[in-house]
Parts: sequence; C-alpha cells; structure tokens
Amino acid sequence: NAGVTQTPKFQVLKTGQSMTLQCAQDMNHNSMYWYRQDPGMGLRLIYYSASEGTTDKGEVPNGYNVSRLNKREFSLRLESAAPSQTSVYFCASSEDFRNEKLFFGSGTQLSVL
Amino acid sequence: DAKTTQPNSMESNEEEPVHLPCNHSTISGTDYIHWYRQLPSQGPEYVIHGLTSNVNNRMASLAIAEDRKSSTLILHRATLRDAAVYYCILRDRVYAGNQFYFGTGTSLTVIP
Repeated sequence: NAGVTQTPKFQVLKTGQSMTLQCAQDMNHNSMYWYRQDPGMGLRLIYYSASEGTTDKGEVPNGYNVSRLNKREFSLRLESAAPSQTSVYFCASSEDFRNEKLFFGSGTQLSVL
Repeated sequence: DAKTTQPNSMESNEEEPVHLPCNHSTISGTDYIHWYRQLPSQGPEYVIHGLTSNVNNRMASLAIAEDRKSSTLILHRATLRDAAVYYCILRDRVYAGNQFYFGTGTSLTVIP
C-alpha cells in the first residue's frame, strides 16, 4: 500500500528559485494537507484542501501556493524560495475534513541556501 | 484554540508500561483528544483519539480524566520501536475550520 507519496525526498534550492512539491494519495481521500516542520518544533499547517476544488490557508501560508490538481494530487509551490523556508514538508490526507485520522507522507527535506 | 501541555521528554525501560501525560485545562465540550506519534525521519502517524470515555486499540490506551482537563496515553509494553515524539492534540470536531495543531510533543526514549 503506497498511501501518501511525496516527491522529491530531498531538494536544495538557491534563494529566489522556484519549485513545486508533489503529493499523491491512493486512498480515495477527500481532504489533503501540507505541513512544515522546523527543527525541534511541531508541525504547522500551511494550506489544506477540504475537498477537490477547494483550498484554504492554514497557520503559515505566506510564500506558498497550492493546487488541488484532482482528488489524488495536491501540490505545494514555492514561487521565490527564501532561507526561512528551509524545513521538512509533510503532505497528509484524510477521508474527509472531519475525520480524525490523518495519514502522512514521509516528507521532503528542503534546504534553501 | 485550546492548548495542551506535555513534558518535553520521558524515558522508559523496554517491556515496561509507559504513561504519557497531557494537560488541557481549557478544553471545550466539543474538543476531541488526539494522539499522534512521529518516529525518527518519518511523518506522524495516528495513535488514538477520544472524547470522554477511555479508549483502547491495538496500539495504545487513552485514559481521560473525569473533568477532561487531562489525559494519559498508555503504552502497555514499550518496545524499541515505540521510541518517538508523541503529540497530544485537541481538535474541535464541530467547527469545520479547526485543524490539528501539533505542539512540540513528548520525546520518548526506550531503554533496552
């Protein structure tokens, strides 16, 4: 069972470069989420998509954009990367927005130099 | 958002029970108590959740105080694989905009 798949696993960017983090789930879940985790800290919600066709800001949305491409895929874009965006990024999904179980991917380690 | 307070770290001997405490004195009547854990270099995984009554599943038990201002995650027999950061999270299931807010959790070390 693949579950939630994130690509790439590692990425190094220079300040000002752009990139898109990809996330796909194969559990037919309606809701998907992007979190970031800085060293020694808990996860913070960046954006979420409660259902296909909708996206909403989370706790720390500045500097990011998202696209819910279809029910399976939810991408996170950094238009102009900054060193403050160096972090581990986790994608997650749940059956629906009120469901208690989040399923997480294994993360993308992003370094912005 | 109602906040939770957890110890930064705890240790346990392998094969012994572990009791991970969580205080949530400002919990509201519609807040569910959730526990997730994060193994090294992995994303968090769901452990258990409850509202008022104690809950059991194959991974752990959740004991909720009668006034709901605190709860305890119980691992019945710690294994080395249980070494992880454990997050206690409150989430209002009624308010649709309320997401999971992860704090810094409790880092559990299991001693062989």
